[in-house]
Amino acid sequence: DAGVTQSPTHLIKTRGQQVTLRCSPKSGHDTVSWYQQALGQGPQFIFQYYEEEERQRGNFPDRFSGHQFPNYSSELNVNALLLGDSALYLCASSAVGRGIETQYFGPGTRLLVL
Amino acid sequence: QKEVEQNSGPLSVPEGAIASLNCTYSDRGSQSFFWYRQYSGKSPELIMFIYSNGDKEDGRFTAQLNKASQYVSLLIRDSQPSDSATYLCAVEGGSQGNLIFGKGTKLSVKP
Repeated sequence: DAGVTQSPTHLIKTRGQQVTLRCSPKSGHDTVSWYQQALGQGPQFIFQYYEEEERQRGNFPDRFSGHQFPNYSSELNVNALLLGDSALYLCASSAVGRGIETQYFGPGTRLLVL
Repeated sequence: QKEVEQNSGPLSVPEGAIASLNCTYSDRGSQSFFWYRQYSGKSPELIMFIYSNGDKEDGRFTAQLNKASQYVSLLIRDSQPSDSATYLCAVEGGSQGNLIFGKGTKLSVKP
């Protein structure tokens, strides 16, 4: 049983560019949450998707957008990249109605903005 | 806005000792508390969760919750070098999947 997978593992972009990160949830999970973890910081909640809709959003600008597909996989898009967007982007999946302790994190995508 | 505070460390303990990691949170209404372990370059891994006041033990790990003091701690008994990692404290932010994390405490266990 595959866990949460993310692609790509690493990415280098320049300021002003756009990036798309991808996440496939663990089998049986239908909810995907995205987090940003800057170096030396804890993860920060970006948003959560369930039934192909954004269910909750953290304190991130509109440059951060997402999508969930019918197979529950998800994308995170970031437009007009800033140097401060350099971070580890984590996807976490869970099953609605089950406790948050059942949430699993993927390996992350490390984004470097030059 | 909910906040979680942790001492960033590093905390250094000798092998076999008890490591004590602490965390405070701002929202008195918080109900669910989590400890994650994160090895360098890896993603967070859940090691303990606690919902009720008191202690919860799982192997070498004990989580302690004091809601009156808004304080959560994690004790690691018989610390091993493999326990060297950053430990993240988190509280549930109000809906499933929304976790509010502290900055983490880096633990180093010396052989």
